[in-house]
Amino acid sequence: SYELTQPLSVSVAPGQTAQITCGANNIGRQTVHWYQQKPGQAPVLVIRRNENRPSGIPERFSGSISGNTATLTITRVEVGDEADYYCQMWDRTTYVLFGGGTKLTVL
Amino acid sequence: QVQLVESGGGVLQPGGSLRLSCAVSGFTFDSDVVHWVRQAPGRGLEWLAVMSFNGNQKYHAMSVTGRHTVSRDTSNKIMFLEMTSLRDEDTAVYYCAKGEGTGILSNGLGVWGRGTTVTVSS
Repeated sequence: SYELTQPLSVSVAPGQTAQITCGANNIGRQTVHWYQQKPGQAPVLVIRRNENRPSGIPERFSGSISGNTATLTITRVEVGDEADYYCQMWDRTTYVLFGGGTKLTVL
Repeated sequence: QVQLVESGGGVLQPGGSLRLSCAVSGFTFDSDVVHWVRQAPGRGLEWLAVMSFNGNQKYHAMSVTGRHTVSRDTSNKIMFLEMTSLRDEDTAVYYCAKGEGTGILSNGLGVWGRGTTVTVSS
């Protein structure tokens, strides 16, 4: 069964680019979604189906996937992007899987 | 507009039972699905179960199979998570969320409720 591996934390200065990875064997063959969760709030879907942004999500957020890694990229990072980010996929044996989450700190 | 509102959380002793509710609105199709996800204090997201409104699709995580069960009241548009044999590790915020699209379980969780808190403590 799958396990999704994310770095515990990523730090970036305002205006720079943040990349958050989600690793698993052959994840490039899967469909991955990304969520942003700010303290005390419910998660929000920011990237659906690997690379698509839901309505209302800034263009600064993008997703990609290849080989063993899915990546969430946030360009021109703002202080308001500071949050926990989770990747998620559907697996036929374990159903919905979440990565362990990555804390994005904006320095 | 799709909305989900959880209720039913509280403080319980180990071994107790609880039924959480998720009142939904704005759903279009009977095959729309609702997921239950929980988050223990300071921890990540843990998926628990999913059920379609028509009941045709229903899956539980291995970690809760046999203890927690999803059900629904289609007349009142409420989804339930029935939890039994509660343990300290069931302490968490419990969210319900609508799967995007209709009946496609591999889609993301597009709309979430605000969550309801369950505390299991002796």
